[in-house]
Amino acid sequence: NAGVTQTPKFQVLKTGQSMTLQCAQDMNHNSMYWYRQDPGMGLRLIYYSASEGTTDKGEVPNGYNVSRLNKREFSLRLESAAPSQTSVYFCASRPQNQARQHFGDGTRLSIL
Amino acid sequence: ELKVEQNPLFLSMQEGKNYTIYCNYSTTSDRLYWYRQDPGKSLESLFVLLSNGAVKQEGRLMASLDTKARLSTLHITAAVHDLSATYFCAVDMSSGGSNYKLTFGKGTLLTVNP
Repeated sequence: NAGVTQTPKFQVLKTGQSMTLQCAQDMNHNSMYWYRQDPGMGLRLIYYSASEGTTDKGEVPNGYNVSRLNKREFSLRLESAAPSQTSVYFCASRPQNQARQHFGDGTRLSIL
Repeated sequence: ELKVEQNPLFLSMQEGKNYTIYCNYSTTSDRLYWYRQDPGKSLESLFVLLSNGAVKQEGRLMASLDTKARLSTLHITAAVHDLSATYFCAVDMSSGGSNYKLTFGKGTLLTVNP
């Protein structure tokens, strides 16, 4: 059982390039989330999807877009990457009517 | 805006000692979570506290929630080196809704020394 799988694990981009981070879960969870983690900042919610077909903004959505492709997959897109988006990105999922979120291993993204 | 404050942010302790990490939050919520993160790794769920007065224990860790004081504690008993990690508390800012959106504290870096 793979749980929450994120790809890629590492990526280096140049300023202005675009990139899509992929997230897939095999636990049949309804809700999915994207967070970023910066040193000394904890995790901050970027976007979430309460169910297939719905998405909503979190705390820091600027510069990002998301797509809930189906129940399994929730992607995060950077249209024009900026150095301020250098971070570790975590995807999480949660089953309906349960509180616990399950996290992926993260994508470490550097923007030069 | 919901704010979640952890203290201390850095904690160095000796094996065998006890200590408590505090998590204060700024608005009403009755859902609080504790996570552990090892360096370069993902977040591991430790505790989910869903009501006032909730107390949960797992091994040397015990978490409690006081929603009236807007305070959760993570107590470490007789620390061992394997507990060295960063510990995060997170508060659900959905105000009782069903979205379970979390606001995280900055984390407490715990180092347990022999």
